[in-house]
This record gives sequence, C-alpha cells and structure tokens, in this order.
Amino acid sequence: GAVVSQHPSWVICKSGTSVKIECRSLDFQATTMFWYRQFPKQSLMLMATSNEGSKATYEQGVEKDKFLINHASLTLSTLTVTSAHPEDSSFYICSAPTGGFTEAFFGQGTRLTVV
Amino acid sequence: GENVEQHPSTLSVQEGDSAVIKCTYSDSASNYFPWYKQELGKGPQLIIDIRSNVGEKKDQRIAVTLNKTAKHFSLHITETQPEDSAVYFCAASIEGTGRRALTFGSGTRLQVQP
Repeated sequence: GAVVSQHPSWVICKSGTSVKIECRSLDFQATTMFWYRQFPKQSLMLMATSNEGSKATYEQGVEKDKFLINHASLTLSTLTVTSAHPEDSSFYICSAPTGGFTEAFFGQGTRLTVV
Repeated sequence: GENVEQHPSTLSVQEGDSAVIKCTYSDSASNYFPWYKQELGKGPQLIIDIRSNVGEKKDQRIAVTLNKTAKHFSLHITETQPEDSAVYFCAASIEGTGRRALTFGSGTRLQVQP
C-alpha cells in the first residue's frame, strides 16, 4: 500500500512552546491530507482537512490559530501546535487518500507530551 | 453528519476461535467502509474495506459484510492468532464527492488468548 510518513514519532515540549509535526506522502501525491487527534483509549477525531495550495478546513471546536496547518506541496503537510499546554498532550495522526477513492493511509502518529 | 457506532468495545477470544465486530452508520449516502487495525503507539493500518456495490468481501482470514438496508457492516476474523490482538476501528465515508475524511467508530479492543 501507499506510504505516509509522519515525523517525529514522539516529542516532549515545555508548556508555552510550539511544536511542528510533518506528514509526508512518500510514493504518491496528496492534494488533501487529514489530521486527527486521538486521546488514550479513544477513537480518532478529525481536527482539520489540509488542502494543498489553500487554507485548511477546521472541524467545529478546533482552534485554527492554535493548530496551524500548512500544505505547501503535494507531498507535505505540517501541523504546528502553538503555545502548547498540557491539555494538548495527545496522539496526533495524519492520513492521505490515494487515487480517486477515499482509501486513506495513515502515518505512524506523533505522541505529543507537554510538560 | 455521519455517526458510526461500534460494538463490542472489548472482545476476548481463544486462539483459533472466530471474532466478529459490528458497526452501524447513520448516513445512507455513505458508500465506503474500511476497517483498520491499530497496535499500541502506532497509526491505524488498513486491513480490508468494502464499497456499497458489494455485500461481502474476503481476504484470507478476514471478511467484511455489508447490509445497506440496515446500515450495518461487520468484520469477521477466523482462526484468530495472538498477533491479531489489537484495537480495530470501523469507519465510513462518502466517495465520489471529493476528498472526504473518515468517520470512525469507537474501536474494539480484541485480545486473543493463546
């Protein structure tokens, strides 16, 4: 299957700092990527849809100024958690659909811990 | 919007037995139903999917069935092995109308006892 690479796999940061997470499609182009957040023992919740060359679309309740998304190329989307707080600690996962269908391949996830 | 419910939340079976996980969805327009396996600390991995133009799909020990009328779909794992232990998520989406994100079920923690 298609490969989606996410980096870093884990990060610990101090409260108030910003953290950038990268999501790359390695063997295909992705005009759209999705960012999810997953709390322990819970399901994946969609945060935003990243669109190459245009603004991201955020789900209700997700602060766009706090979770900055940039999709500058067809193979890279980034999520920046700005002024991180302990409540932002979570598992962040990106995905990208391939071809003409919705089949979504997921990155390996990023475990963010804010201390 | 779409709402996907998944049952059971936990499932424990003996090695070699079968496991069945069931999901229901609310949006009759949904036409794509993938299943994912997620191991601890990793991203979800697509294991099988089905589209609304078929009622059943099988891949070795894994099969998925879809009942469009009742709006439910199920994952069947036969001859379970300890390495099948993981969290399984069902999802639903609408294809053909642009890049739609998936709506996930709440997950089922499957434990296969050796």
